[in-house]
Amino acid sequence: DAKTTQPNSMESNEEEPVHLPCNHSTISGTDYIHWYRQLPSQGPEYVIHGLTSNVNNRMASLAIAEDRKSSTLILHRATLRDAAVYYCILRNTGGFKTIFGAGTRLFVKA
Amino acid sequence: GAGVSQSPRYKVAKRGQDVALRCDPISGHVSLFWYQQALGQGPEFLTYFQNEAQLDKSGLPSDRFFAERPEGSVSTLKIQRTQQEDSAVYLCASSPRGANTGELFFGEGSRLTVL
Repeated sequence: DAKTTQPNSMESNEEEPVHLPCNHSTISGTDYIHWYRQLPSQGPEYVIHGLTSNVNNRMASLAIAEDRKSSTLILHRATLRDAAVYYCILRNTGGFKTIFGAGTRLFVKA
Repeated sequence: GAGVSQSPRYKVAKRGQDVALRCDPISGHVSLFWYQQALGQGPEFLTYFQNEAQLDKSGLPSDRFFAERPEGSVSTLKIQRTQQEDSAVYLCASSPRGANTGELFFGEGSRLTVL
């Protein structure tokens, strides 16, 4: 299973943009890049996903490198409620497992 | 509710007891996953169901762990003869489609503490 690498933690100021990086150098052509986040005492929640092109939704944007070996989750204006652990994961239609790493813990300062 | 529901939310068991954790997925969802999350760690895959078929159980840590989804909806994760290392949050997730596609919808988890 292809793995992802993320920084353990990042810090941001409230109302500033946040760029959360993810490396996935062994990604295959059929792996979708998904991002989830987990607030304290809750289950993970879906944020965004993409295959090759950049994606935008109401929560965030996903920028995917041209070689697909890395991606960046962009929160345009961080709020205190965005403080969470963010997981970058790969999902392949040919398998069943979805492997989570340790994620990036985002701290947001007021 | 419309989301994934798990019960109990909290369970304290004495070492050696059997426990059963229940997951009610979103109605009509084909896929159901169980994960184990230790404190400070990411979720670890346990098992996967597509409807009533258990297609992957490679993540179950020992033969004390057993999962079922007999009618393709509600699922139960059973842990026999619990050990202290089984203490964790057990997360259930469902997805509307089969295999590894689409968005995962997680429940809030069942926190198991084994004394």
